[in-house]
Amino acid sequence: EVQLLESGGGLVQPGGSLRLSCAASGFTFNTYAMSWVRQAPGKGLEWVSSFVSPTENTLYANSVKGRFTISRDTSSKTVSLQMNSLRADDTAVYYCALRIHVVGTIDYWGQGSLVTVSS
Amino acid sequence: EIVMTQSPATLSVSPGERATLSCRASQSISSRLAWYQQKPGQAPRLLIYGASTRATGVPARFSGSESGTEFTLTISSLQSEDFAVYHCQQYNEWPNTFGQGTKLEMK
Repeated sequence: EVQLLESGGGLVQPGGSLRLSCAASGFTFNTYAMSWVRQAPGKGLEWVSSFVSPTENTLYANSVKGRFTISRDTSSKTVSLQMNSLRADDTAVYYCALRIHVVGTIDYWGQGSLVTVSS
Repeated sequence: EIVMTQSPATLSVSPGERATLSCRASQSISSRLAWYQQKPGQAPRLLIYGASTRATGVPARFSGSESGTEFTLTISSLQSEDFAVYHCQQYNEWPNTFGQGTKLEMK
């Protein structure tokens, strides 16, 4: 059974940093693309970043480029999102997401981790 | 960036009736369109990909269609568990983008 378990969310001041982690299990970890998708309170979904396999290319939304960094640790089966220079409009539930079947879609989602940027 | 526009924002339909949700892309996306269902407090669930292919385990009452840059999700006979928010998403080019969602509520 595929499981994605996020951790690391919380309250941070504007300009601060936070690191989200996603522990994955139940599939061959380094085979498939993993992503982060966020949802601001009461809003729609926004695709934030992807780590593409097997090329190990990284992709970022324009809104986070230069501030966020996605990485993957194969030994611990973890995908992380390092978020720097956080702004109020980064406040959202961040979902860890996995694509297995169709490139560009998401088959499995984590439960979400709330990040609140506020002074 | 491709802009996805969903309509209506809210749709009120009675159980057993048919629901039709729309999604328009700002440019051609070559059928690379997915639909997701999201219930309160839950993560989204993939329903449709390739504009019209149902994901594994999705009931046959859900169907997708396309006409150019216009996409439609139809739920043929609404069940109580179908009332939720529906998101469309294009994956033709990066950044993958979502519509703002349509809330399907019980009339």
